[in-house]
Amino acid sequence: DTGVSQNPRHKITKRGQNVTFRCDPISEHNRLYWYRQTLGQGPEFLTYFQNEAQLEKSRLLSDRFSAERPKGSFSTLEIQRTEQGDSAMYLCASSSPGQGHYGYTFGSGTRLTVV
Amino acid sequence: TQLLEQSPQFLSIQEGENLTVYCNSSSVFSSLQWYRQEPGEGPVLLVTVVTGGEVKKLKRLTFQFGDARKDSSLHITAAQPGDTGLYLCAGGRVRGSNYQLIWGAGTKLIIKP
Repeated sequence: DTGVSQNPRHKITKRGQNVTFRCDPISEHNRLYWYRQTLGQGPEFLTYFQNEAQLEKSRLLSDRFSAERPKGSFSTLEIQRTEQGDSAMYLCASSSPGQGHYGYTFGSGTRLTVV
Repeated sequence: TQLLEQSPQFLSIQEGENLTVYCNSSSVFSSLQWYRQEPGEGPVLLVTVVTGGEVKKLKRLTFQFGDARKDSSLHITAAQPGDTGLYLCAGGRVRGSNYQLIWGAGTKLIIKP
């Protein structure tokens, strides 16, 4: 098992462009989480999937953000019309049922820079 | 309003010294998780404590969950440069069908050789 994999590791984009990130969770984990983290802060919850169902979405997530997990395996996070304030580290984590209580496994993140 | 307050925000000490970092809240959590994060990487789980008063040891690291399950501490003995990183605590609680994690802002620890 290679853990949680995120691609790309780094993304630089011009303001107004769309970007898409991918997360491959641990294969037996049915729960997948997206977080955003800015410098000097802890991770900020964005959204959560159980299998292919998106069960919770943060109120902080504007309509420019969308996430999918079409087959209950990998997930994508898309940001449309990027803004400079979207610059952050985007983290994906996964857990198995009942194991979230004991901790998540995080990927290495995608660092987004909007110029 | 930060539901989980971590202190200190920043700590720089010499190799070999001992230190304690704190994670405090007015809320009760069903579990408290500690993670370490290195620059450019995701957080890595160190330990989870679930019972009030619980103490767990991981080599030179000692974690304690408060009796009321509102706070936690991490004590490092004889700190080494490899302990350098951002230490994050996260409190877990059930919310509807989801298990929600509330995160602190972290303690940035630098151990100087």
